[in-house]
Amino acid sequence: GESVGLHLPTLSVQEGDNSIINCAYSNSASDYFIWYKQESGKGPQFIIDIRSNMDKRQGQRVTVLLNKTVKHLSLQIAATQPGDSAVYFCAESETGANNLFFGTGTRLTVIP
Amino acid sequence: DVKVTQSSRYLVKRTGEKVFLECVQDMDHENMFWYRQDPGLGLRLIYFSYDVKMKEKGDIPEGYSVSREKKERFSLILESASTNQTSMYLCASSSAGQGETDTQYFGPGTRLTVL
Repeated sequence: GESVGLHLPTLSVQEGDNSIINCAYSNSASDYFIWYKQESGKGPQFIIDIRSNMDKRQGQRVTVLLNKTVKHLSLQIAATQPGDSAVYFCAESETGANNLFFGTGTRLTVIP
Repeated sequence: DVKVTQSSRYLVKRTGEKVFLECVQDMDHENMFWYRQDPGLGLRLIYFSYDVKMKEKGDIPEGYSVSREKKERFSLILESASTNQTSMYLCASSSAGQGETDTQYFGPGTRLTVL
């Protein structure tokens, strides 16, 4: 099956700095990608998604970048805040599939 | 806002018991999903359903069954609970039609412990 993985299991950043969380995928047919945030004891919360016809998409303080050539996805969080501390998952899917394939997650810790 | 609710946040059961986990969504979504989440393994799909009374096996269906009698409700059943089914169970729903992919919205999770 597909493998969706993250380069770093943990990431620590100073409050106010920008955070970059990376994700690699192996299925070249994947055309839909999504980032989730999961706080302790809660279910994953949708952050932002992107389809393969785009290479960048911006939300509120977040940007997702997609590099299909190297099968790499990243989530950038601007001016990281303590409330951003959580585990972040990437997930991917391909046309014709109902379900998403998830990575194992990166734990982001924001240092005040 | 999309709301997905799960019947219990915490559940403790004994080996061999039959366990029902209930999930309800209020956005008229066609698709519903059950995952389990374990440390180091991420989210793994157990079953999903793209319509009432329809179900599809996910990656790890063994030991589980599901029921979708109404569009808004998707139940996960452990016929005979075992200790290796101790996990966090997450329900999700999405509005995409069959063969499409769209954002999945998750419930808060049920942490099941089987003794």
